[in-house]
Amino acid sequence: DTGVSQDPRHKITKRGQNVTFRCDPISEHNRLYWYRQTLGQGPEFLTYFQNEAQLEKSRLLSDRFSAERPKGSFSTLEIQRTEQGDSAMYLCASSVSGASYEQYFGPGTRLTVT
Amino acid sequence: GQQLNQSPQSMFIQEGEDVSMNCTSSSIFNTWLWYKQDPGEGPVLLIALYKAGELTSNGRLTAQFGITRKDSFLNISASIPSDVGIYFCAGRNAGGTSYGKLTFGQGTILTVHP
Repeated sequence: DTGVSQDPRHKITKRGQNVTFRCDPISEHNRLYWYRQTLGQGPEFLTYFQNEAQLEKSRLLSDRFSAERPKGSFSTLEIQRTEQGDSAMYLCASSVSGASYEQYFGPGTRLTVT
Repeated sequence: GQQLNQSPQSMFIQEGEDVSMNCTSSSIFNTWLWYKQDPGEGPVLLIALYKAGELTSNGRLTAQFGITRKDSFLNISASIPSDVGIYFCAGRNAGGTSYGKLTFGQGTILTVHP
């Protein structure tokens, strides 16, 4: 049984560039979540999907952020016109609907904006 | 926004000692979870709690859902070097409308000296 995978694990980009991250959830999980974690803090919720429907977005998810889960399987998180304040670990998690609070996390994508 | 307060912020203990940490909220939670995170990795789910007063064990780890529903506790018995890491509490606010969002504490950093 493979866990949640994320790609890339690390990304260094220059301010103003666009970046896209991918998350592949545990295969039987229909819910997928994105969180952001900065140094010394716990993860902060960004958004979540049930199958392909995006059901909730945090106010942290500015207009420069967009997430998709087109076929209800993998998901992508895109950040446009990156800013230095976007530097963080972006975590993906997945769960089944019946136990949606038991969320299983991937290894994260560490983004550094220079 | 909703915050969880974890205590202590950090702990330095000797191998073999028992560890206790807690998490408090200003509002009622209906689910509590405990995660462990190693550097550069995503959080790993340790224990999930769903009922006030519930006491659940996972090996040397025991967690409790406080009867006021505003707190939770994690105990680690007979600590070993691989217990080193950051422990996060997380939960779902009972008064919230979100069915996916977890709120995380700021973490307790555990260091175990051999």
